[in-house]
Amino acid sequence: AQSVTQPDIHITVSEGASLELRCNYSYGATPYLFWYVQSPGQGLQLLLKYFSGDTLVQGIKGFEAEFKRSQSSFNLRKPSVHWSDAAEYFCAVGAGGTSYGKLTFGQGTILTVHP
Amino acid sequence: GEEVAQTPKHLVRGEGQKAKLYCAPIKGHSYVFWYQQVLKNEFKFLISFQNENVFDETGMPKERFSAKCLPNSPCSLEIQATKLEDSAVYFCASSQVGDPSYEQYFGPGTRLTVT
Repeated sequence: AQSVTQPDIHITVSEGASLELRCNYSYGATPYLFWYVQSPGQGLQLLLKYFSGDTLVQGIKGFEAEFKRSQSSFNLRKPSVHWSDAAEYFCAVGAGGTSYGKLTFGQGTILTVHP
Repeated sequence: GEEVAQTPKHLVRGEGQKAKLYCAPIKGHSYVFWYQQVLKNEFKFLISFQNENVFDETGMPKERFSAKCLPNSPCSLEIQATKLEDSAVYFCASSQVGDPSYEQYFGPGTRLTVT
């Protein structure tokens, strides 16, 4: 069964600083990987996804993520954080096979941005 | 519509009462997914539908939870005899295709509070 681990429960950065949120996954085949953002009281918005091709993927709001098969990681990065980026971020892996389409989420990382 | 709609926004039920949640997927999307987000922010997959057919119900608690997606009606998730641990936000997502490479669009969620 697939699983996702986000080692950092809470990260605090200053506005303008760079950001990296960690995600490690466990999945038997080539994974489908996603990063979602959730603002308080809101649903999930997709930031970016990876399922094949270039291992560095660009997303919305200036985010990017790099798929590293050897490390089973899919870390999210942003060069310069804005105060509006404060939210909770979820990494997820999508299943194939008999669990077609089902997403398994990590525990989430809460991002706080200091002015 | 262009967004996944969920009703009601909030639902309060006494322990043992029934709760029914509704989801209208994006028009043209064939797949519907239900997820439960509990207080620790963990997302748990419950069930998915391909049109009106159950696609994957491996996450559904067997006894008290049921779900339907009938033609020309919103999908529904029903909890008979609610328990305190059912308190959570329930998210519905829809996708054009069940393939995990296709984005799942999430609704704003229904917050269920069981007292």
